[in-house]
Amino acid sequence: KQEVTQIPAALSVPEGENLVLNCSFTDSAIYNLQWFRQDPGKGLTSLLLIQSSQREQTSGRLNASLDKSSGRSTLYIAASQPGDSATYLCAVPTGAGSYQLTFGKGTKLSVIP
Amino acid sequence: EAGVTQFPSHSVIEKGQTVTLRCDPISGHDNLYWYRRVMGKEIKFLLHFVKESKQDESGMPNNRFLAERTGGTYSTLKVQPAELEDSGVYFCASSLFADTEAFFGQGTRLTVV
Repeated sequence: KQEVTQIPAALSVPEGENLVLNCSFTDSAIYNLQWFRQDPGKGLTSLLLIQSSQREQTSGRLNASLDKSSGRSTLYIAASQPGDSATYLCAVPTGAGSYQLTFGKGTKLSVIP
Repeated sequence: EAGVTQFPSHSVIEKGQTVTLRCDPISGHDNLYWYRRVMGKEIKFLLHFVKESKQDESGMPNNRFLAERTGGTYSTLKVQPAELEDSGVYFCASSLFADTEAFFGQGTRLTVV
């Protein structure tokens, strides 16, 4: 059974700092990994999707890496801004034939002005 | 193109009452998923529709929950009777194919008092 763990559970940083969020998964037989953002009272916004054949995916100030063999992914946020404050979730599809996702509990990020 | 939409955005009901949540997927998406997040826990899969058929309902917590997708378009999730532990955020997602990226709605926040 796939399990996804995110560390840390919460993180507070001053504005402008670079930061890394971590995600680990127990079953390395995944075909992609997805990072989401959730704002309080809002839905899920997909940030980055990395295919299993990729090692990195970039979007603006965000960079996600994937190491399938070690069961790890990181989300790097450069030059953090107060608007980056949200909960960041990592998720992997559970198996073939379905896009059923297994989620981590998330990392709650606070960027202090 | 409209995204996944969910109604209502918030619902507060008393224990023992019935609530029906609705999800309108992206037009043309045959695959529709329900997830929920209860307080302090990770987002968990409830079920997966392919058109009007239930492909996987292994995540449904008990028989108080009934999901339907008549005609293969929008879906409803009924909770009857609601219990306190049903409180949480219910998300809907849709995808074009079973193994392609799913897009999430804004969620319905359900509070049972």
